[in-house]
Amino acid sequence: AQKITQTQPGMFVQEKEAVTLDCTYDTSDPSYGLFWYKQPSSGEMIFLIYQGSYDQQNATEGRYSLNFQKARKSANLVISASQLGDSAMYFCAMREPSGYSTLTFGKGTMLLVSP
Amino acid sequence: GAGVSQSPSNKVTEKGKDVELRCDPISGHTALYWYRQRLGQGLEFLIYFQGNSAPDKSGLPSDRFSAERTGESVSTLTIQRTQQEDSAVYLCASSLGVRGAQETQYFGPGTRLLVL
Repeated sequence: AQKITQTQPGMFVQEKEAVTLDCTYDTSDPSYGLFWYKQPSSGEMIFLIYQGSYDQQNATEGRYSLNFQKARKSANLVISASQLGDSAMYFCAMREPSGYSTLTFGKGTMLLVSP
Repeated sequence: GAGVSQSPSNKVTEKGKDVELRCDPISGHTALYWYRQRLGQGLEFLIYFQGNSAPDKSGLPSDRFSAERTGESVSTLTIQRTQQEDSAVYLCASSLGVRGAQETQYFGPGTRLLVL
């Protein structure tokens, strides 16, 4: 079974609008970490945001916020005020204790921001 | 530069040859990870080093793949008798620790391997 599911292969948004990228996960461990990474066409993986399973509040980092709904096992990334430079692949990932801190990645969502 | 560095950036080799990929983690990071990313795909975990503990090799796809790390420094990933299906980007990451926010992995730029 897939541990991380990103159901949107591609998303389009206009500059300055907000966009939500979906991510659901599957784990039986009570302790886990959730991450979002951005991969531009240049190929590097850029860390965006982290949410621990015991964190009471949703994580925020500048224009990025993570909509963490634990009961639904969802960890959607919200990008506010999209910019052209946000066009990239976005990967959701999870770390489980049983996985020795390695990350399991989703298949990614390609975000295209238009002027 | 204080980030993760990898070399070479690109490597073209002939089928059957051995290749060695290098990763320099962020100074002070105890954990180091190797991943593989095939074209248009997500990342596949290969191997994980944490301090002086035995590495987690559960992601290595075959015995042609091996990796070493000396202490908490440089790591090398070796692929013996390369096959065309080994063509991919090999990404290295490091993290400060393995708890809470310290487990955040920071990635290097990757090595693009092409096996002809």
